[in-house]
Amino acid sequence: NAGVMQNPRHLVRRRGQEARLRCSPMKGHSHVYWYRQLPEEGLKFMVYLQKENIIDESGMPKERFSAEFPKEGPSILRIQQVVRGDSAAYFCASSLPGQKFTDTQYFGPGTRLTVL
Amino acid sequence: GQSLEQPSEVTAVEGAIVQINCTYQTSGFYGLSWYQQHDGGAPTFLSYNALDGLEETGRFSSFLSRSDSYGYLLLQELQMKDSASYFCAVHGGATNKLIFGTGTLLAVQP
Repeated sequence: NAGVMQNPRHLVRRRGQEARLRCSPMKGHSHVYWYRQLPEEGLKFMVYLQKENIIDESGMPKERFSAEFPKEGPSILRIQQVVRGDSAAYFCASSLPGQKFTDTQYFGPGTRLTVL
Repeated sequence: GQSLEQPSEVTAVEGAIVQINCTYQTSGFYGLSWYQQHDGGAPTFLSYNALDGLEETGRFSSFLSRSDSYGYLLLQELQMKDSASYFCAVHGGATNKLIFGTGTLLAVQP
């Protein structure tokens, strides 16, 4: 059973360009979470999605950032007009489609975004 | 506000036992998880506590005291490969989002 997949693993963008980060959850998982990790810091929650629904986006910056999880295909985190402060590691996690508040989240290898 | 505090660094020798503490202050609490991260790679789930007490999983154990808003991760029979960052994380609400601590860098020496 493959784990959480993320691509690309490394992404370099110039200021003002768009970044698209993809996440495929583990088989059978329909809940996806995105987290951002700045160097030497812990992970910060950004957004929680289920298929075709954004459930909690309380950690998303109000501008330039968006996320989706379509019925078919991976979840996408999109950053428009990137700035240097967006440089970070972006991790995706998935969990089972349970109703518990405590389901274990399994993380992907992350996408390291560098903005020049 | 919401915060989780951990020591920034811990050093121990191979074969020893080490304890990594975590104190938390969050608006919601549905349990405490621990994750291991090597060199900025994928965080790996280690242990979870919903209720007070000790949970044991092989060489790793985790403890929780909800009345003290405190937990710890105990690593026994340390090995060199245990050198990594360890994060505590609170399951913070109905959406199960994780609120992570600041992380503890564990260095295991020969």
